[in-house]
Amino acid sequence: QITLKESGPTLVRPTQTLTVTCTFSGFSRTRSGVGVGWIRQPPGKALEWLGLIYWDDDTHYSPSLESRLTITKGTSENQVVLSLTNVDPVDTGTYYCAHQLGMKGLDFWGQGILVSVSS
Amino acid sequence: DIQMTQSPSSLSASVGDRITITCQASQEIRDFINWYQQKPGKAPQLLINGASKLETGVPSRFSGSGFGTSFTFTINSLQPEDIATYFCQQYDILPYSFGQGTKLELK
Repeated sequence: QITLKESGPTLVRPTQTLTVTCTFSGFSRTRSGVGVGWIRQPPGKALEWLGLIYWDDDTHYSPSLESRLTITKGTSENQVVLSLTNVDPVDTGTYYCAHQLGMKGLDFWGQGILVSVSS
Repeated sequence: DIQMTQSPSSLSASVGDRITITCQASQEIRDFINWYQQKPGKAPQLLINGASKLETGVPSRFSGSGFGTSFTFTINSLQPEDIATYFCQQYDILPYSFGQGTKLELK
């Protein structure tokens, strides 16, 4: 059974760095074809695809966030970390991580974590 | 980047109705489109993968079709538990992208 869960600070000050950790179970991030994707959703708005890290460390980002966004493997084998620098209140939203399999897309999602950017 | 134009943005329907949501991709994406259901305060749940493949456990009243740039999502005989927001997403060409969502309400 695949599960994912996001964790991290729920309040971040403007200009600081937002860091969210995705801890997962039920799959190996080194399995060929597997990836972990990140998606966010401002309150009451649509889903926005942020980026993706594949089993071979290949990483892809949304062009609109590429200069501020980094997705890396965590210190544990079952973790992936999202970092967004120089945040602004418009970065407020629920951040989700999800299991990605090449032919299926994002099939299992974490519960999400609401992160507010405010002074 | 590929734009996914989803319509309508909201829809009011009655129990038992057949409802249809469309997504138009700005470029060809073969059949690499998923449909998700999202209920308030919850994460999206994958209902249909690869344009038409129903996920395990998803009721057969949900269906999807299409290839290339034009896609359709249908609920036959709407049930009260289907009230949610529905999103399409293409995963053929990076950066992957979502439609703007369709909020389904009971009439």
